[in-house]
Amino acid sequence: EPEVTQTPSHQVTQMGQEVILRCVPISNHLYFYWYRQILGQKVEFLVSFYNNEISEKSEIFDDQFSVERPDGSNFTLKIRSTKLEDSAMYFCASSLPGRQRGSPLHFGNGTRLTVT
Amino acid sequence: SQKIEQNSEALNIQEGKTATLTCNYTNYSPAYLQWYRQDPGRGPVFLLLIRENEKEKRKERLKVTFDTTLKQSLFHITASQPADSATYLCALARRGTGFQKLVFGTGTRLLVSP
Repeated sequence: EPEVTQTPSHQVTQMGQEVILRCVPISNHLYFYWYRQILGQKVEFLVSFYNNEISEKSEIFDDQFSVERPDGSNFTLKIRSTKLEDSAMYFCASSLPGRQRGSPLHFGNGTRLTVT
Repeated sequence: SQKIEQNSEALNIQEGKTATLTCNYTNYSPAYLQWYRQDPGRGPVFLLLIRENEKEKRKERLKVTFDTTLKQSLFHITASQPADSATYLCALARRGTGFQKLVFGTGTRLLVSP
């Protein structure tokens, strides 16, 4: 069964450094997302992406964050200047368009980002 | 304020019994509700989706109900097995917020003992 793949599985970085988290969504999916989960807390929406632009973003997704789909297969999340509070598991997800709203999200297994 | 609440305490049941997990929400008018399973260190895995005009959905040993008057969804696993042990998340999509801006609950951990 096709799956969403994320790399790396674990990223350690120093505060203030830039990180890029990478994802390969399922190939025929059209909607792409980033969610994050701080240890022991809820899964939180960051951003959705469709037709090469951001369709929606949360208040967490400030100017330090950006997303890109550079080559038609990869989907990346960049954090320009990491803070300690950015330490979390970052999940990429993708979905098909449905005839009705509410197509299931297919999540990757995440990148654990540790900011020291 | 808007809230999605799931039992924060783990639910312990014996193999073969039916597990029932609860998701309550306040100050939302969700267009639909989804249930996901999450294993430690892994991403959520989609299980079932139920829309606001549906009362019940089934898939194999799983059943979801959705009561928009009570603002509650119940998730049932019948004939539970130790392999069902995981954290189960409910997620809402608010009407009018666009595609898949899901708001997740904190999840309920289910432990099924042999």
